[in-house]
Amino acid sequence: NAGVTQTPKFQVLKTGQSMTLQCAQDMNHNSMYWYRQDPGMGLRLIYYSASEGTTDKGEVPNGYNVSRLNKREFSLRLESAAPSQTSVYFCASSESAPEQFFGPGTRLTVL
Amino acid sequence: AQTVTQSQPEMSVQEAETVTLSCTYDTSESNYYLFWYKQPPSRQMILVIRQEAYKQQNATENRFSVNFQKAAKSFSLKISDSQLGDTAMYFCALISGTYKYIFGTGTRLKVLA
Repeated sequence: NAGVTQTPKFQVLKTGQSMTLQCAQDMNHNSMYWYRQDPGMGLRLIYYSASEGTTDKGEVPNGYNVSRLNKREFSLRLESAAPSQTSVYFCASSESAPEQFFGPGTRLTVL
Repeated sequence: AQTVTQSQPEMSVQEAETVTLSCTYDTSESNYYLFWYKQPPSRQMILVIRQEAYKQQNATENRFSVNFQKAAKSFSLKISDSQLGDTAMYFCALISGTYKYIFGTGTRLKVLA
């Protein structure tokens, strides 16, 4: 039981490049989330998926797209990376209980 | 709008001593949950303790306990018998309604040997 896994762990991009962050959970949770963590800002919600087939914007969705591929997987795509998207990205999942279970994070640097 | 405020950016405590981390929040919801998460240098977010707003009794998990003051909208975390492994960032978080977390900005705790 791996919980929530994220790939890659680290990534460096040049401005304008695109990439997809992958997230998978094996806890059979319905809801999944993407957050970004910036110094001094705590975690902020980018997008979430309350159930398979649905996605909704969070607090800071601009510059990102998401896909809920199936119940297990929720990906985050940066179409044209910008230096302002340099951050640590966390995926999380939850079921009916309010606790969210977090992945190990991806450190992304955009040059 | 819901907010969570952690006013202590950094704190330190001697090993085996007790330390209290502060958190205040604001919400108009009557049903909500409060959490403390620990983030060690590994970056993993680890749930430390949770409190349901409708429960008057303060939550306790081993050396970790909270002081939940609902009227004052205060939710502090007390760590007893501090250990070197407690060194981490600690985040206070609030959930209500749609289960979207609102996080505070964190308190960096250093336990000194």
